[in-house]
Formats: sequence, structure tokens, C-alpha cells
Amino acid sequence: ETGVTQSPTHLIKTRGQQVTLRCSSQSGHNTVSWYQQALGQGPQFIFQYYREEENGRGNFPPRFSGLQFPNYSSELNVNALELDDSALYLCASSLDGPGGQETQYFGPGTRLLVL
Amino acid sequence: RKEVEQDPGPFNVPEGATVAFNCTYSNSASQSFFWYRQDCRKEPKLLMSVYSSGNEDGRFTAQLNRASQYISLLIRDSKLSDSATYLCVVTSPNDYKLSFGAGTTVTVRA
Repeated sequence: ETGVTQSPTHLIKTRGQQVTLRCSSQSGHNTVSWYQQALGQGPQFIFQYYREEENGRGNFPPRFSGLQFPNYSSELNVNALELDDSALYLCASSLDGPGGQETQYFGPGTRLLVL
Repeated sequence: RKEVEQDPGPFNVPEGATVAFNCTYSNSASQSFFWYRQDCRKEPKLLMSVYSSGNEDGRFTAQLNRASQYISLLIRDSKLSDSATYLCVVTSPNDYKLSFGAGTTVTVRA
């Protein structure tokens, strides 16, 4: 196992609600990246956090936001949920610097269903 | 045009067969290349990095063709446990994200 943990494992929400997903990085890793994987698609990059700062963002609206804490764990928040937000949300940790290319290790994901 | 494109398959092969598939990428400046494996409803796991000279890891061989901007994965002597979705991944210089293809599904039958 990678040592990356995510909670919860599954979640059901309704349109318009807000959700917070959590990720604990592998010990010693300082960078967390979040990805969204819709059914039948590859993971799509949402954003990355390095030392508590957002370090890059993919093509996702501002209602997707995040945090990284001093212990390098991270949260992904999604406001005003839409049906299309239903997906597997993956976090990946790495030991990195800005623009780094270190291997990213994925957690098991949180499966979100929006009704 | 998508950054990374893969033949979705599925590739249905008998045990012991050889299966190969490609992935193309659009950014000629792409720097690093990987194959990840994803089992049903699980997280992606790194299978192997892909180097310019090509590389082998047991029954798996990866090749990179920078001129034509594609990478390939070949699996020899397929096992039932090789059934999975194989994700092609590229990164660009000074980039922090992994760019994934949609995956190629391989099913190995007894």
C-alpha cells in the first residue's frame, strides 16, 4: 500500500450541497495533488498543494477549493454540487518542489455520488 | 485535441498471449512518461516509467517514440491477473500535474 489515506470512502450528496474530502499524505511527503475521475475517463488534475500553498490548478471552477495543513494532509471542498461532480476523487502525495517530477502515490479515492 | 489519447479497447486475450497497445500525446515538449495500472474501482498504481531507450520489467516492455509522439506497452505471456485498465501518463517540463489518457482495458481469459 502507498500509505496515502482518504476519507470518506463513499459519499452521497444532493445538488447544491457542499462536500469536504480529506487526504493524509504518505509520511515525509510534502505535496498533495487532487484528481477527479469520471466513469470511463482518466483522472483529471484539479490542483496541487505544496507546503500549504496552491501550486497549480487544472480547468476546474472556483467552487472547487482546497487546503493543506502543516502536517501536509489536505482537504478538497466542493460547493454548490452539480450532478456532473459525481466521480472518484483521488489524492496523490509526493516529495516534491514546485514543478517537480517526483512519483505521485495515490490514495484509494472517495467515490462521490450527487443526486 | 486531447493531451493524451489511448485506444480504449477492450483487448480480450487468452492466457499466455501477447498484447500490445499505444498511446499518443500532443505536447512535443512532454518530459516524463509512465504507465499506470488501475483495477476496477481502485486507485491507479504506477506500473513503470518509460525511458527513451525503452525498458523492460519482467513481462512488460515499454517503448517511447518521441518523433511520432507515442508510447507503447507490450505484455508477454499474459496472466489472468493482468486484467485491468492501463493508463498512459505524461508530464511536461516544470509541470506539476500528471496528464492521463482515458485508459486501455485489457481482459485476459482462461
